[in-house]
Amino acid sequence: GENVGLHLPTLSVQEGDNSIINCAYSNSASDYFIWYKQESGKGPQFIIDIRSNMDKRQGQRVTVLLNKTVKHLSLQIAATQPGDSAVYFCAERDGGFKTIFGAGTRLFVKA
Amino acid sequence: DAGVTQSPTHLIKTRGQQVTLRCSPKSGHDTVSWYQQALGQGPQFIFQYYEEEERQRGNFPDRFSGHQFPNYSSELNVNALLLGDSALYLCASSAGTSGVDEQFFGPGTRLTVL
Repeated sequence: GENVGLHLPTLSVQEGDNSIINCAYSNSASDYFIWYKQESGKGPQFIIDIRSNMDKRQGQRVTVLLNKTVKHLSLQIAATQPGDSAVYFCAERDGGFKTIFGAGTRLFVKA
Repeated sequence: DAGVTQSPTHLIKTRGQQVTLRCSPKSGHDTVSWYQQALGQGPQFIFQYYEEEERQRGNFPDRFSGHQFPNYSSELNVNALLLGDSALYLCASSAGTSGVDEQFFGPGTRLTVL
């Protein structure tokens, strides 16, 4: 498969623990934010999104928090499982159609 | 229901050549975006096609061009290939006209330029 995220920051967590992946964005005009998961050999997969008029959104085992004051986004994964091991990207849009991806974080889940 | 498909899976070219990559969107989707992902980096937006026209473009030179067909499938063409064009090229499809529509990505085409 593809070697995604060879030199990315790595977060290592124990199976069953909660994971928090952080992301800083630079464009204060961005109004829509998305988290993607990318496994080796695959394209990015949508996890959860949030609009700028919200500061928190929950999905199944995942929560996204948005702090527009400091331009910070985080993804929380509850009860992390080995299948969660992947590279995670935050992405933003500024009202147009261009999606800008961050650098990514590799999550490694220890069984 | 097939998701987004891309062809070919892998491709090797030499500097100066031209390449065409193909993408079929998910059923029901009418919008196709192309991204370039260098090793160890996040995808970078190349352009998006809707109603057979390019409606937004990222910071890529004119060597990168595309096309969308009436059946919503799309091609990415890269002319005068450079070593730096070696990357994974991703296609993503979405539905509707809103910029917040969920994008579905294909597995990508790995292009190697020698």
